Formats: sequence, C-alpha cells, structure tokens
Amino acid sequence: NAGVMQNPRHLVRRRGQEARLRCSPMKGHSHVYWYRQLPEEGLKFMVYLQKENIIDESGMPKERFSAEFPKEGPSILRIQQVVRGDSAAYFCASSPRWGGTTEAFFGQGTRLTVV
Amino acid sequence: AQTVTQSQPEMSVQEAETVTLSCTYDTSENNYYLFWYKQPPSRQMILVIRQEAYKQQNATENRFSVNFQKAAKSFSLKISDSQLGDTAMYFCAFMKPLGGGSQGNLIFGKGTKLSVKP
Repeated sequence: NAGVMQNPRHLVRRRGQEARLRCSPMKGHSHVYWYRQLPEEGLKFMVYLQKENIIDESGMPKERFSAEFPKEGPSILRIQQVVRGDSAAYFCASSPRWGGTTEAFFGQGTRLTVV
Repeated sequence: AQTVTQSQPEMSVQEAETVTLSCTYDTSENNYYLFWYKQPPSRQMILVIRQEAYKQQNATENRFSVNFQKAAKSFSLKISDSQLGDTAMYFCAFMKPLGGGSQGNLIFGKGTKLSVKP
C-alpha cells in the first residue's frame, strides 16, 4: 500500500508562470488536506477536500490559488501567476475520515521555488 | 482561534541522553487532540505520538512520551535514550474534534530543531 504520493518533489517556476502540484492520497482515503510550509515556519492549513468537493478553503489565499480533487485522479493545487512569496514547501495529507483520532498521513511535499 | 507555541527554536542533546521539548497551546475547547510530528531532513512528516485531551494518562510510544498538563495547556515531548536518527525538526500540533465547524485540520507550532550529538 503506497503512501501519499506528491509530485513533483521539486518545482521551479519563473514569476508569472503557473504551478501545478499533485497529490495522490493513500488507497481508500477520500479526504485530502493541503498545507504550506514557509522557511523556518510550521505548516499552515490551506484547504480541505473530499472527492469532487471543497469542504474548507479558509486557509487559501483568495486570489491565484485553487484546488480540486476530482472523482478520478489526484488532487491538484494550482497557483497561477506565481510570485517569489509563493516559494515554500507544499504538503498534502490524506485521511480515511476526518477528525477523531485518525492519523493524517503526509506526503513528502513539493518544494516550489519561484525565480 | 487556537494557537500553538513552541518556545525553543533549537535544542541539542548528547546521544543516549534524555531531552524534553516544550509546547503550549491556547484553546477554549474542552475536547481536542494533540500531536507531535517529526520532520527529518528528508522533509517527510512523521507522526511521533498523539494524545486525546479526554484521556488523563500520558501517551507513550517506545522512547517517546508526553507530559500532558490540561489545566496548564502544556504538552511536552520527552525523548529518552536519544539516537542520532532523532535529529530533526519537531512540530507540536493541535486539532479540534469533528463538528462545530471543525474539519479536522491541524494547527502547528513553528517547530523545534533538535540535534543529537555523538
């Protein structure tokens, strides 16, 4: 049973380009969380999705950022017109159900560098 | 809003010794969950230990144990017999239970960088 898979591991984008980050949850998990980790900081919640639904996007910037988790395929975090401040590590976590004592399993993250 | 504070940006310990990492949090909730995550240089987030607030007994996982003081809102992590492989960033995290607007997302502290020296 593969763990949470994120790709790419490293992504370099020029200012103004688009970044697409992918997350395949563990088999059987239908709940996905995205977090952002700025340098020297802890992880900050961005968005929570279930299949085909955005449940909570309270941590996501209002502009340029979007997320989806389609019925088939991985969850995608999309950042349009990237700026230097978007440089960070982006982590995805999946869970078979939300809350409780269920462990959230994290991927290895995507390190986005905007040049 | 809940907050998690880790007051020790960096710590070091000699191999085989014991070290305690501190964490305090602020919440008005009575029931919640607390976690310690380890992030080695590989960046993988690894769950070390978790504690349910309604349980008085402190959680233990092999060499890792917590000192959970609910009234003081304190949740420290003790690592016994430290090993070189324990070198990592350690994050304390808080989660509200389901319902009342909670979606199960984690609130993290800023982390403590632990170095285990040979």
